[in-house]
Amino acid sequence: EAQVTQNPRYLITVTGKKLTVTCSQNMNHEYMSWYRQDPGLGLRQIYYSMNVEVTDKGDVPEGYKVSRKEKRNFPLILESPSPNQTSLYFCASNRNLNTEAFFGQGTRLTVV
Amino acid sequence: SQKIEQNSEALNIQEGKTATLTCNYTNYSPAYLQWYRQDPGRGPVFLLLIRENEKEKRKERLKVTFDTTLKQSLFHITASQPADSATYLCALNQAGTALIFGKGTTLSVSS
Repeated sequence: EAQVTQNPRYLITVTGKKLTVTCSQNMNHEYMSWYRQDPGLGLRQIYYSMNVEVTDKGDVPEGYKVSRKEKRNFPLILESPSPNQTSLYFCASNRNLNTEAFFGQGTRLTVV
Repeated sequence: SQKIEQNSEALNIQEGKTATLTCNYTNYSPAYLQWYRQDPGRGPVFLLLIRENEKEKRKERLKVTFDTTLKQSLFHITASQPADSATYLCALNQAGTALIFGKGTTLSVSS
């Protein structure tokens, strides 16, 4: 079954404590991306990757890092989380930008 | 950069009626435009993709139109049901680097 898997689903953490949200896809897609979704602001892209070792900033990259060492995995790293990063996060993958995107289940992050 | 506007934040209709949702974009016409459904707390799910040379596309009770002159796509759900209640997002490819989304229209279908 075609799938994008994110972990964890829910996370509560404290300001400044480094965390990683994992994302894995089983469709051999080249393009992967991270979004955050906030009420009234919609889905905003944080980072994207067009292939292994190729990553670039989206619209709201500040405070985030990513890596793409293998095609299937695209972790999102918050080196020093702050309360304004409290949000619902989604990982997505596509074969390319003109085909459907598959989304993960979402990670609801709360930073206190 | 490209901007997407989905005119209505919320749309309330009665069961059996046709729901029509609007998506407008501001700059160049994309080659493709996509529509997604999102339920609360869950990831968006792909519904339909329409190409710029396709004026209309259908899938079961769903119909999408794409007017590059008006820079607009319309999304129709015919014979709507309460189970169609969700947020519907349109999306397009921005400059070959990002799939950008509108803020969505939340549809509520009452029985």
